[in-house]
Order: sequence, then C-alpha cells, then structure tokens
Amino acid sequence: KAGVTQTPRYLIKTRGQQVTLSCSPISGHRSVSWYQQTPGQGLQFLFEYFSETQRNKGNFPGRFSGRQFSNSRSEMNVSTLELGDSALYLCASSLVAVGTGTDTQYFGPGTRLTVL
Amino acid sequence: DQQVKQNSPSLSVQEGRISILNCDYTNSMFDYFLWYKKYPAEGPTFLISISSIKDKNEDGRFTVFLNKSAKHLSLHIVPSQPGDSAVYFCAASPNFGNEKLTFGTGTRLTIIP
Repeated sequence: KAGVTQTPRYLIKTRGQQVTLSCSPISGHRSVSWYQQTPGQGLQFLFEYFSETQRNKGNFPGRFSGRQFSNSRSEMNVSTLELGDSALYLCASSLVAVGTGTDTQYFGPGTRLTVL
Repeated sequence: DQQVKQNSPSLSVQEGRISILNCDYTNSMFDYFLWYKKYPAEGPTFLISISSIKDKNEDGRFTVFLNKSAKHLSLHIVPSQPGDSAVYFCAASPNFGNEKLTFGTGTRLTIIP
C-alpha cells in the first residue's frame, strides 16, 4: 500500500508570496492533519480535516488555511509568506478522525519550504 | 509556551546499552502519550503509546514509562542498535487522544557502534 505523499518536496518562495502544498493520504484514510516542524518549536499542529471538514485547528494565524477534497486529498495554503514560515510541513493521515479509537497517524516525507 | 518538553536535544549511547529518552509535560489534561521516531528526509513514524490509566507499556525493545504525578514520561530502548539513531519526538493529547497532538522539540539519538 502506498504511503502518504506530499508535493512538492522542496519549495523556495519570497516574502509576500503565497504557497500551496499538497498531501495525498494513504488509500482509504479519511483524516489528514498538517504540522509545521521547526528546529526551535518542534512539531506544531496546524489543522486536521476529516471527510472534507476541518475538525481541529492549532494556534496559527489566518494566513494558514487548508481544505480537503472528496477523495481525501488535502491542500494547505499559506498567504503573504513571512521569513518565519520557513519550515518543514508534514501531513499525516489516519483511517479515522484523530483520537477516535487508537488509530495511528502515518506521516508523509514533508515539504521543505524556504522563504527568502 | 512549550507544553511538552524534551530537555535533551541530543543523546549518544553505546550499541547494546540502554537508551533513555525523557519527556516532561505541563498540561494536566494530557492523558494519552506517544513516541515517534524520525529519520532525515522522512516523516515521523509511530513507535509506541501509553494511556494515563497505565504506567508502563512494552513493545519489543521499546518500553514507555509514565509518571503522572511528576508529569514525566520516558522511552527506554534495550538493547540499542545502530538503526535506532534518529530523532525521537514525544507527543501528548488530552481526552484520551481525542484532541490534537502536541509534540516536544525532539531528541537526536546517536548509537555508537
């Protein structure tokens, strides 16, 4: 079974631009969560989508948004990029909504975003 | 405010010995805890979890201990193997995992052959 895939793997943008990252979950998985990883803050939760609905949201500004399509693929958008947005963005999929039972989240390889 | 803390950014252990990775948390609402392992250029992979109704959970070479009164958990790897070299993240969630995970900043474990 194919794992979680994320595209692109690397991205370089300049301040003020916007970016869209894509995540394809494991086949059959309906929950997709997004995380930001930085050296100082570790992994921080952005949001979780389940069946096209945002179920949970972390403490990030409104410049960070996401959506999920009917095939469970998810996109994350960051508008008006700032230098501090440079990070590894990870998505994770699970069969059911996070915390429902003991299902595990499976992570993708991440998209490395560099903002210049 | 870092609610999940891994105070050791790095740890080196001789192959065959025990590796002990520590994690502290401040939010008393956390009652479900997980450890993830991450290799470079890959996403984190789930290792082991523990619910607050237990104080120990074992899976092969990996054991997680939870001390609720101290708000502390630890991951023991015995015996340590070169393939265990990776960054280890602990994560916590309230409501027995029904809420989003909060991660620590990670500890880089290096196993010395």
